[in-house]
Amino acid sequence: EVQLVESGGGLVQPGGSLRLSCAASGFNFDNYWMSWVRQAPGKGLEWVANIKQDGTEKYYVDSVKGRFTISRDNAKSSLYLQMNSLRAEDTAVYYCVRDCNIGPCDYWGQGTLVTVSS
Amino acid sequence: EIELTQSPATLSLSPGERATLSCRASQSISIYLAWYQQKPGQAPRLLIHDASNRATGIPARFSGSGSGTDFTLTISSLEPEDFAVYYCQQRFNWPWTFGQGTKVEFK
Repeated sequence: EVQLVESGGGLVQPGGSLRLSCAASGFNFDNYWMSWVRQAPGKGLEWVANIKQDGTEKYYVDSVKGRFTISRDNAKSSLYLQMNSLRAEDTAVYYCVRDCNIGPCDYWGQGTLVTVSS
Repeated sequence: EIELTQSPATLSLSPGERATLSCRASQSISIYLAWYQQKPGQAPRLLIHDASNRATGIPARFSGSGSGTDFTLTISSLEPEDFAVYYCQQRFNWPWTFGQGTKVEFK
């Protein structure tokens, strides 16, 4: 069974940093692109970033370029999102998602809430 | 950036009725469109990929059609568990984008 479990969310002040983690299991992690998708409270979905199987290609939505960094550790079957210079508009539930590149976003974690507020 | 426009914003129907949801892209996206269902407090679930292919375990009452710029998700006969928000998403051009969602609610 595919499982994606996010952690690392919480309350952070504007300008602060946070690192999200996603532990994957139930599939060959290093065979898949991986993504982060977010959802602001009461709003729709926004794709944030994704990363190729070997980490050599990474793509970001414009609003997070230069502030967020996606990475992965295939030995640990883990995905990460380093978020710096956080803004109020980054407040959202962040989902770890399998694929979203070669194929659709086929499996989603339950999400971790990031709140940026003073 | 490719914009996806979903209509209607809200669909008020009763169990057993047919639901027809639309997603229109601002430019051609071939068949690279997926549909997701999201219930309150839950993560989205993949229903349809590549415009018309049901994902694993999705009931046959869900079907997708379309190509280019116009796409449709049809639920042939609504079950109580189908009342939710539905999103379309394209993966034709970076950045991947989602529609704003259609809420299917009880009439």
